[in-house]
Amino acid sequence: QVQLQESGPGLVKPSETLSLTCAVSGGFISHYSWSWIRQPPGKGLEWIGYIYNTGSTNYNPSLRSRVAMSVDTSKNQFSLKLSSVIAADTAVYYCAREILYGGISFFDHWGQGTLVAVS
Amino acid sequence: SSELTQDPAVSVALGQTVRITCQGDSLRTYYANWYQQKPGQAPVLVIYGKNNRPSGIPDRLSGSSSGNTASLTITGAQAEDEAAYYCSSRDSSGNRWVFGGGTKLTVL
Repeated sequence: QVQLQESGPGLVKPSETLSLTCAVSGGFISHYSWSWIRQPPGKGLEWIGYIYNTGSTNYNPSLRSRVAMSVDTSKNQFSLKLSSVIAADTAVYYCAREILYGGISFFDHWGQGTLVAVS
Repeated sequence: SSELTQDPAVSVALGQTVRITCQGDSLRTYYANWYQQKPGQAPVLVIYGKNNRPSGIPDRLSGSSSGNTASLTITGAQAEDEAAYYCSSRDSSGNRWVFGGGTKLTVL
């Protein structure tokens, strides 16, 4: 069974860079697209962006200027960096696997999420 | 603001049927996927594509779509169905994902 686990600091100072890693176990990182999705406390979900195992990326236009994602296939993990953070970036950050099945794309596996506070 | 619109809250009596809707222009091109989220937990996929359920999702949950509106129907709602439900699809360009604002379902 595929499992995803986010890790990183739970507290980041304003104007600094938020850095998170998602470790993938029970399956290979190859052949899939991997997304970061966040959820501010009490609010809805916001897609941040995705990265393919090749390193190709696509980001939410609202965050594109501050986001960078990378993948390390040797460690079976991928990472998120969000620069110049502000209080509004406080959220639970999820990593998720996107799968293409029967011509349909969807997120079939999610990490448990990690709360990052900007303060 | 979300490009997919959902009612913030819906309630249903135990055992009755409820429909949760999601509207957006991208739904004319792409199917919606539906995720269930209970407090303190990560979202879980419950419906993908036209009307497909992952393994383990009860058949009382079903999906449908017409024009720019996707719907999640729960037939015979149970207490364990109380949760927030989010629709999601590719945006109209197909380049990014969007989520609806979520619908909080209360089972009375």
